[in-house]
Amino acid sequence: EIVLTQSPDTLSLSPGETATLSCRASQYISSYLAWYQQKPGQSPRLLVYDASNRATGIPARFSGSGSGTDFTLTISSLEPEDFAVYYCQERSTWPPAVTFGQGTRLDIK
Amino acid sequence: QVTLRESGPALVKPTQTLTLTCTFSGFSLSTAGMCVSWVRQPPGKALEWLALIDWDDDKFYSSSLMTRLTISKAASKDQVVLTMTDMDPLDTATYYCARTYYHRKFDPWGQGILVTVSS
Repeated sequence: EIVLTQSPDTLSLSPGETATLSCRASQYISSYLAWYQQKPGQSPRLLVYDASNRATGIPARFSGSGSGTDFTLTISSLEPEDFAVYYCQERSTWPPAVTFGQGTRLDIK
Repeated sequence: QVTLRESGPALVKPTQTLTLTCTFSGFSLSTAGMCVSWVRQPPGKALEWLALIDWDDDKFYSSSLMTRLTISKAASKDQVVLTMTDMDPLDTATYYCARTYYHRKFDPWGQGILVTVSS
């Protein structure tokens, strides 16, 4: 079973700065990685899928990269509404399963 | 517009069986690539995938919970049902359903339903 490890657990930055969030898979997962944002009291929202494709309506300051086992979500020029928890998610083909990372909390410094 | 909404009991007793329904609109579960998944989140903790049913009626489960889970399409074509047996206080969580495309992306999500397991 694939394990996704996100780092750091918490990231404290100021508005206007750039956030770099990491997600590492325990096995090769090609580019089948997605990123979600979750704000307190809200459902998760899809940001990026297939490692680098922005979902509909997601601002260009959110970008995803990586393949294989190492992936990055970059949020440039942080806005106040970007401070939230971010999760990565993979889909493995065998055994067929879905895994989420443990999350990275992005806090306002 | 695609929407999903979870419904079911807010409180269940230990050892009981939980039945949750996801009612969706704006897409067809018969369309190739379309799936519906269930994901839960204990208070203050991370997301945990539970189960998925796809357009071909294939079903997939979390390996750690598969003996307790059953996912199915309801008779009405716009509902998916999840049952979880032998509920425990550790199963207290917000349960979400989400449209899933080719198992790869979960979008959108329902609002979630908080289920508390307590005697």
